[in-house]
Amino acid sequence: SYELSQPPSVSVSPGQTASITCSGDKLGSKFASWYQQRPGQSPVLVIYEDNKRPSGIPQRFSGSNSGNTATLTISGTQAMDEADYYCQAWDSSTAWVFGGGTKLTVL
Amino acid sequence: QVQLQESGPGLVKPSETLSLTCSVSGGSISSYYWSWIRQPPGKALEWIGYIYYSGSTNYSPSLKSRVTISLDTSKNQFSLKLSSVTAADTAVYYCARHVVPATQAQRAYFDFWGQGTLVTVSS
Repeated sequence: SYELSQPPSVSVSPGQTASITCSGDKLGSKFASWYQQRPGQSPVLVIYEDNKRPSGIPQRFSGSNSGNTATLTISGTQAMDEADYYCQAWDSSTAWVFGGGTKLTVL
Repeated sequence: QVQLQESGPGLVKPSETLSLTCSVSGGSISSYYWSWIRQPPGKALEWIGYIYYSGSTNYSPSLKSRVTISLDTSKNQFSLKLSSVTAADTAVYYCARHVVPATQAQRAYFDFWGQGTLVTVSS
């Protein structure tokens, strides 16, 4: 079965750049999406098809995907960006799969 | 703006069937895929399955034997049934709109989500 791995936690200072990684076998040959989930809330799509931003998502959110790793980058991180982030991809063996999630802390 | 709202019992007994409905407003249920996704407390998201407006379905291999998703276009609703539940099925269940660009599964993503409903499996 296909699995996506994320670091459990990432810390960043306000105004700095946060990078959250998502690893999977040949992930670069697939498309990655990213979701933000604040405590007690539903997930919100922030990146789809590797690097596209939905309407209403700030430009500070960007994505890339190459090799075995997809990366969500948040430039000029704000306190409101503190949340759990999940990557998602599709594989023929498991259909749509999510990573284990990364808790972003803005110190 | 599309809105989704889950409804159904918050408590289900072990071995029974979990039943939830998702009501879609602000847009038609036609021309899209619609998914159920769950999240056990403190854990990651898990895709359960989808239904297309035509009625075709696709389920997670790990849950396929216990899952049925159906559609009621007249009410703009779709539903989930999960049979023979155990404590491991305790989770927040979300319904979501599932966008599949050009019917390419690998490009798919979930752009609108319901608020989620907690279902606890306990006697």
